[in-house]
Amino acid sequence: DGGITQSPKYLFRKEGQNVTLSCEQNLNHDAMYWYRQDPGQGLRLIYYSQIVNDFQKGDIAEGYSVSREKKESFPLTVTSAQKNPTAFYLCASSIVGVPNTEAFFGQGTRLTVV
Amino acid sequence: AQKITQTQPGMFVQEKEAVTLDCTYDTSDPSYGLFWYKQPSSGEMIFLIYQGSYDQQNATEGRYSLNFQKARKSANLVISASQLGDSAMYFCAMREMSANAGKSTFGDGTTLTVKP
Repeated sequence: DGGITQSPKYLFRKEGQNVTLSCEQNLNHDAMYWYRQDPGQGLRLIYYSQIVNDFQKGDIAEGYSVSREKKESFPLTVTSAQKNPTAFYLCASSIVGVPNTEAFFGQGTRLTVV
Repeated sequence: AQKITQTQPGMFVQEKEAVTLDCTYDTSDPSYGLFWYKQPSSGEMIFLIYQGSYDQQNATEGRYSLNFQKARKSANLVISASQLGDSAMYFCAMREMSANAGKSTFGDGTTLTVKP
């Protein structure tokens, strides 16, 4: 079955550490996105990418980095510069240029700083 | 300016009754799509229903229908015959044809609680 896989489901990070969240899709979608969600809040866009080796900052990119070396993969690194990284992270993908298609989401990664 | 506004942080509905979740949007793009997603406590985002800006009829999917009023720029979700499993957070989202990489803009969500 096609879909998006995020791993791990839960992640604990010590202060000052970088951590990388994995996102893989087999839907052959061109576009991929990373969102951050704080408790009881909406989704805020961190980074997005439309093609391999190209990506753009979203609304809250500071303290995060991404790469897009393969169409299927869009990992997110939460760096030590991110002062408040504890949150729920959602990865999504979609077809570009066709506004009537929905975004597909992974199951999410819950990151906690300990 | 907020592109998607959901003015109801929380809503309660009695089981088996209908409920309307509000969504207003702002865009100058004539071509756009409006989406509703459900997020249960487990966190995954479940696509519910879609409405295109050029669609003449309101979208329906089972117990979900979308009350689309283009002139008012509103796209309210109606859930009929509420079930306990409908308790979740609901997000309205918009994709504009002109948006970079087809990215969506999400509202802040409405938490729906269905009472037995």
